[in-house]
Amino acid sequence: ETGVTQSPTHLIKTRGQQVTLRCSSQSGHNTVSWYQQALGQGPQFIFQYYREEENGRGNFPPRFSGLQFPNYSSELNVNALELDDSALYLCASSLVIQGNTEAFFGQGTRLTVV
Amino acid sequence: EDKVVQSPLSLVVHEGDTVTLNCSYEVTNFRSLLWYKQEKKAPTFLFMLTSSGIEKKSGRLSSILDKKELFSILNITATQTGDSAIYLCAVYTGTASKLTFGTGTRLQVTL
Repeated sequence: ETGVTQSPTHLIKTRGQQVTLRCSSQSGHNTVSWYQQALGQGPQFIFQYYREEENGRGNFPPRFSGLQFPNYSSELNVNALELDDSALYLCASSLVIQGNTEAFFGQGTRLTVV
Repeated sequence: EDKVVQSPLSLVVHEGDTVTLNCSYEVTNFRSLLWYKQEKKAPTFLFMLTSSGIEKKSGRLSSILDKKELFSILNITATQTGDSAIYLCAVYTGTASKLTFGTGTRLQVTL
């Protein structure tokens, strides 16, 4: 167990709807990153939050947005869902002080858009 | 654009075999390379490599990084069916601690 919890585990949405995914990071970690993993692919970086501020973003459109709360938990919001948004969404938490530390992943949320 | 390439894409071996998984990278502002094992959903951390030539070892798994040739290998000796999984290689780049992943190597260990 990594101490990173994601909810819900599975979700089915209709094209055009909006979805919110949640992540509780490991205790003491100040950084959370979100990744999208399509079937048969490696995870793709969506964005990262450090101390409640967005700290880097991958090649995802603005309809992907996020938040980090004072307790370092995080949300990923996706508006105007498209069929291609169907994927496993992974949250990773880490403690960034100097340099890099290993990122610990949650179990993911499997999103299906129909 | 940052790129991480893993080979082979998939591999089937018999229990007891030794396997070598490859990861090459072409990125700007390399910081470190990580290996993960993904069985169902959550990738689980195996190794983080920052310096060239220093082998990291954990039980039957070991890994090494070559920063001159821009690659890493993950070795698994005496494979067991429980080693069946997707092995992901990822590189930390830039200041945002962003991980760039390869597509993974799917390893299947048969009896």
